[in-house]
Amino acid sequence: GAVVSQHPSWVICKSGTSVKIECRSLDFQATTMFWYRQFPKQSLMLMATSNEGSKATYEQGVEKDKFLINHASLTLSTLTVTSAHPEDSSFYICSASSTSGRSYNEQFFGPGTRLTVL
Amino acid sequence: AQSVTQLDSQVPVFEEAPVELRCNYSSSVSVYLFWYVQYPNQGLQLLLKYLSGSTLVKGINGFEAEFNKSQTSFHLRKPSVHISDTAEYFCAVSVLPGYSSASKIIFGSGTRLSIRP
Repeated sequence: GAVVSQHPSWVICKSGTSVKIECRSLDFQATTMFWYRQFPKQSLMLMATSNEGSKATYEQGVEKDKFLINHASLTLSTLTVTSAHPEDSSFYICSASSTSGRSYNEQFFGPGTRLTVL
Repeated sequence: AQSVTQLDSQVPVFEEAPVELRCNYSSSVSVYLFWYVQYPNQGLQLLLKYLSGSTLVKGINGFEAEFNKSQTSFHLRKPSVHISDTAEYFCAVSVLPGYSSASKIIFGSGTRLSIRP
């Protein structure tokens, strides 16, 4: 199956700083990437959908200026949490999807990044 | 809009007993259905999916699910569970994708399966 990686796997930062999380599709070209956040013992909530080379589409209630998403290539998307605060502490998971090939339109999930803001 | 309901937030089961995790969905259009498993502090792993065809879908780790269109259900079953099946299980739905765009996946609230020895 297709492999998606995330880096870092965990990060601790001070309140007010910015944190960048990378999501990479290792063996396929991801035309679309999705970013989710998951609070403890809760489900995944979709934050935004990004297509390569275009602006991300954010879900209702997600601040686009706080959660900056860049999908500059077919194998890399980044999520930057700007001016992070303790309430941004969460598990962030990305997924990647391709509109070509055998796995047409299936989403492959990364292992997640745990963000703790002090 | 699509939605997914997992009625049971927690299901405790004894080892080697059968288990069923319930999932109901709501949609006005045809959908794809999925079950994912999440082990502690890890990402999601696809257990199985229903796209079309046979309504009984077999997945990994001995799990299977049956699509029931009339009852809008997609319950997950395993005839005999193991300690290693202890995890969070998510039912999910997505609409049929467009030709050139991927589809969003809507997740249920999850069911925590705990296996007792």
